[in-house]
Amino acid sequence: ETGVTQTPRHLVMGMTNKKSLKCEQHLGHNAMYWYKQSAKKPLELMFVYNFKEQTENNSVPSRFSPECPNSSHLFLHLHTLQPEDSALYLCASSQDKKNIQYFGAGTRLSVL
Amino acid sequence: AQSVAQPEDQVNVAEGNPLTVKCTYSVSGNPYLFWYVQYPNRGLQFLLKYITGDNLVKGSYGFEAEFNKSQTSFHLKKPSALVSDSALYFCAVRVFVSGNTPLVFGKGTRLSVIA
Repeated sequence: ETGVTQTPRHLVMGMTNKKSLKCEQHLGHNAMYWYKQSAKKPLELMFVYNFKEQTENNSVPSRFSPECPNSSHLFLHLHTLQPEDSALYLCASSQDKKNIQYFGAGTRLSVL
Repeated sequence: AQSVAQPEDQVNVAEGNPLTVKCTYSVSGNPYLFWYVQYPNRGLQFLLKYITGDNLVKGSYGFEAEFNKSQTSFHLKKPSALVSDSALYFCAVRVFVSGNTPLVFGKGTRLSVIA
């Protein structure tokens, strides 16, 4: 266990659905991240939150909407996704943005 | 801009033999360098990092990596591979500045250790 928990582990959704991914960290970290991992592509950083403030948004489409209510929780709200959004979505946390990132096991998302 | 290259998609090695997973980087300042490993159905797990100091860095599970500034490389090595080392390995880099630059990951190298 890395101290970063993601739920659900697997999600299948249609293109018109709305769903949310949840990430919780028990490490006392103040920075949290969402990454997208697709086959044969580098890990893509999507969003960064530092002390609950969004500090990075790497040109992510608006159909992905992050929420960070406190330093321990991070959500990724999904709506009207496309099949090419199917991927493994990884959450990570770190103590400050300089330090080692600890990853959750990911949510495997399939968009039909 | 920062970038990381892992030139091999796949590395195969026999159990007990030494292994090397290659990584080269490109940054405009001093690099922080990291290796992560991903086992099936798991998230990435930190292995080791280079910040400053000794060029040879030792990490978890007997892995080590050597920082080579002139060749801009940070290859991951292990003297004797185990079947359980089979996984996906990621190199990552960030620039050593105020902390506002994100980690940039390579596309990963799949290591298969054959018994």
